[in-house]
Amino acid sequence: QKEVEQDPGPLSVPEGAIVSLNCTYSNSAFQYFMWYRQYSRKGPELLMYTYSSGNKEDGRFTAQVDKSSKYISLFIRDSQPSDSATYLCAFRIQGAQKLVFGQGTRLTINP
Amino acid sequence: DAGVTQSPTHLIKTRGQQVTLRCSPKSGHDTVSWYQQALGQGPQFIFQYYEEEERQRGNFPDRFSGHQFPNYSSELNVNALLLGDSALYLCASSRQGGNEQFFGPGTRLTVL
Repeated sequence: QKEVEQDPGPLSVPEGAIVSLNCTYSNSAFQYFMWYRQYSRKGPELLMYTYSSGNKEDGRFTAQVDKSSKYISLFIRDSQPSDSATYLCAFRIQGAQKLVFGQGTRLTINP
Repeated sequence: DAGVTQSPTHLIKTRGQQVTLRCSPKSGHDTVSWYQQALGQGPQFIFQYYEEEERQRGNFPDRFSGHQFPNYSSELNVNALLLGDSALYLCASSRQGGNEQFFGPGTRLTVL
């Protein structure tokens, strides 16, 4: 079983739609949960970071963590063409700097 | 404030050759981590440097080695290149004990 499972997509939605991106994980030691956005031929950019179960909101982005189900989500409201990118979930164990990434979901927002 | 910078942007090598990639961390950061990202995959952790020492290592062979300098910049060296080493190599910097890692734009290595 992979440590992190993320549907690679591709996912294509119309502008203005609500987007839901998801990852499941198997390692109970993961305590930090992140979402990165990666544009084509660029490095990953940190979008959201959280360490507890529940929701965290930042503008049009909401990160949701359910530790009991080992499931995290990223919601994008009022999606824009500029949101078109690959979205990577990432996890970290307390005391370690190593990030464990999902495969990434390729998202396209159509005008 | 300059973010994480990496050089070169692109590199083409042949099998068996050696390569050195360079990274300068974000201002105020003292820890550098290196990742390998194959096409269509998420980044894979190679190793991390802090205080000029390798602190943590992922599942990569000894052909992959690194160095950190007193100014916190870092190098990644790969010996005896294989076709499978073709990837985007990413450098991430952070403060030791910090929770956020910031990535550079990467170096795209092609091995022919």
